Amino acid sequence: QSALTQPPSVSGSPGQSVTISCTGTSSDVGSYNRVSWYQQPPGTAPKLMIYEVSNRPSGVPDRFSGSKSGNTASLTISGLQAGDEADYYCSSYTSSSTWVFGGGTKLTVL
Amino acid sequence: QVQLQESGPGLVKPSETLSLTCSVSGGSISGYYWSWIRQAPGEGLEWIGYIYYSGSTNYNPSLKSRVTISVDTSKNQFSLKLSSVTAADTAVYYCARERRVEPGKYYFDYWGQGTPVTVSS
Repeated sequence: QSALTQPPSVSGSPGQSVTISCTGTSSDVGSYNRVSWYQQPPGTAPKLMIYEVSNRPSGVPDRFSGSKSGNTASLTISGLQAGDEADYYCSSYTSSSTWVFGGGTKLTVL
Repeated sequence: QVQLQESGPGLVKPSETLSLTCSVSGGSISGYYWSWIRQAPGEGLEWIGYIYYSGSTNYNPSLKSRVTISVDTSKNQFSLKLSSVTAADTAVYYCARERRVEPGKYYFDYWGQGTPVTVSS
């Protein structure tokens, strides 16, 4: 199984919005809504930010939103803050009953 | 609050077997799927495999021939064994709990802090 495709890096100024894409196939992202997103600041474990494409766990700000179209899922962060700077990973459960992650995207807040 | 803690040797020799244990506290291991995930230095996350509390497993096809995951419900622990390791297996290893609620709520809700493992002679 191949990793989901994410851009290596994105950046934005405080207050702006950024969108991170996550492209898979009809066997993973495209087949189910079992897509989730994780935030990983340096030296820490990943933290769940979005599940089931667009749902936020309790405690995650509504500045974080998710969507999906076909084989591509997206994470949008609006009202960027310095504390949002981290690596972001998408993940999908697959038709083979396995998991696959994206390669990760480094978000820089300028 | 569920907590996961990885434990095991931080240094493993090439060709030997890497063995790690994840201890679960604050909740039962029963009723859930549990995964091992790793992250090589400067790289992304790689799913290794999962085990259901009953013992059924599934592994990443790229690692399947070398991976064994087991569970001990009496100790509320699950374990990873990765055989014939090379330098490419050097990584931070995380254990995580899977949350699965049909049809679409599939995600990792609790993670351990991660344990670094270096493969070197």
